[in-house]
Amino acid sequence: DTEVTQTPKHLVMGMTNKKSLKCEQHMGHRAMYWYKQKAKKPPELMFVYSYEKLSINESVPSRFSPECPNSSLLNLHLHALQPEDSALYLCASSRTVGVNTDTQYFGPGTRLTVL
Amino acid sequence: AQSVTQLDSHVSVSEGTPVLLRCNYSSSYSPSLFWYVQHPNKGLQLLLKYTSAATLVKGINGFEAEFKKSETSFHLTKPSAHMSDAAEYFCVVRKNQAGTALIFGKGTTLSVSS
Repeated sequence: DTEVTQTPKHLVMGMTNKKSLKCEQHMGHRAMYWYKQKAKKPPELMFVYSYEKLSINESVPSRFSPECPNSSLLNLHLHALQPEDSALYLCASSRTVGVNTDTQYFGPGTRLTVL
Repeated sequence: AQSVTQLDSHVSVSEGTPVLLRCNYSSSYSPSLFWYVQHPNKGLQLLLKYTSAATLVKGINGFEAEFKKSETSFHLTKPSAHMSDAAEYFCVVRKNQAGTALIFGKGTTLSVSS
């Protein structure tokens, strides 16, 4: 099973709202990732977690706050977003971070609209 | 620094004809290269990957790619296109040897007509 699940599929929020995106995998992977994808653009890496610890933050604004409560779960907490943050947010996982033969498996994404 | 360049932003083919999606890479060492596909409003699915084993890599759904070091290319091919192949295709290179962070090309939209 190479499935990464993400909830919700769609989210509409106002600029003053607080919401969270959820990502789950049960493949025993110890690395998890958040990507942001704008329309007609490739995904851009936001965060990398390795063994439940944040290892990479690609200079993402603090209104995005990641959390990895356990090895299977990855959250992205959203607060005071801007309309330009509207995008498809993709979660991915891989066995580890440091092995160059590992493959990232992606979830279906959450389509976020900020009004 | 690692990078990939997808040479065509849009490719149109007829059903049953061959598919060629072109990708050139730049790397200071032997790269790990991938092709991912994204159908409309979906996540990304791995088609195939090259990690310095065989230079001809076979993937899912009849796709394959050949790693050519002399040409710094990793083109994706399929002998016969199917309507369901219509999607966005991304050529991807690993950012560095020690990690799994990925660098994506800008994507190629494949259209398949009947």
